[in-house]
Amino acid sequence: GENVEQHPSTLSVQEGDSAVIKCTYSDSASNYFPWYKQELGKRPQLIIDIRSNVGEKKDQRIAVTLNKTAKHFSLHITETQPEDSAVYFCAASRQGGSYIPTFGRGTSLIVHP
Amino acid sequence: NAGVTQTPKFQVLKTGQSMTLQCAQDMNHNSMYWYRQDPGMGLRLIYYSASEGTTDKGEVPNGYNVSRLNKREFSLRLESAAPSQTSVYFCASTKAASTDTQYFGPGTRLTVL
Repeated sequence: GENVEQHPSTLSVQEGDSAVIKCTYSDSASNYFPWYKQELGKRPQLIIDIRSNVGEKKDQRIAVTLNKTAKHFSLHITETQPEDSAVYFCAASRQGGSYIPTFGRGTSLIVHP
Repeated sequence: NAGVTQTPKFQVLKTGQSMTLQCAQDMNHNSMYWYRQDPGMGLRLIYYSASEGTTDKGEVPNGYNVSRLNKREFSLRLESAAPSQTSVYFCASTKAASTDTQYFGPGTRLTVL
């Protein structure tokens, strides 16, 4: 089955700095890579996703890049703000009803004012 | 449009007691999932239902049972609760395939004494 490794487990930055979270996956057939943000005490919510037919996707201050050859994908947050403080999860999945998403263990991002 | 709802929000059980966690979605989604979240372990899949009438085991199914009551509702039952089942439980749903966005419920915080 799929295995997703996520690093780092904790990331501390100053407000205004950039933050990068990386994930690697094992199943070369995986073709959908979402990122979820979970604020303290809240539910995970999708912030951005990428499919294997593109290499990069941006949405304002966040971007995701995908390297299919190396089987890794990354979340980039620029100009971090205190409200970006949360746990971020990556996931990987492939098409097909019997295939279920595999999540990374999460990265706790702390943005210091 | 409430999205995904879960009841109860909090629950305390004694070892050996049983209970059912309820989940419902009003988005006409086909697939539903139950996860548990423990510190440092990310989101681990307990059971899922790819479509109405089907259920399958996930990564950590032992000690749990599920019922896909209809397209909207997916319940999780603990027959004989154990302290190791102390966790936060999230229900989620997707429109159809495993490569769709997961929409999570607000979670149930369960403590087993």
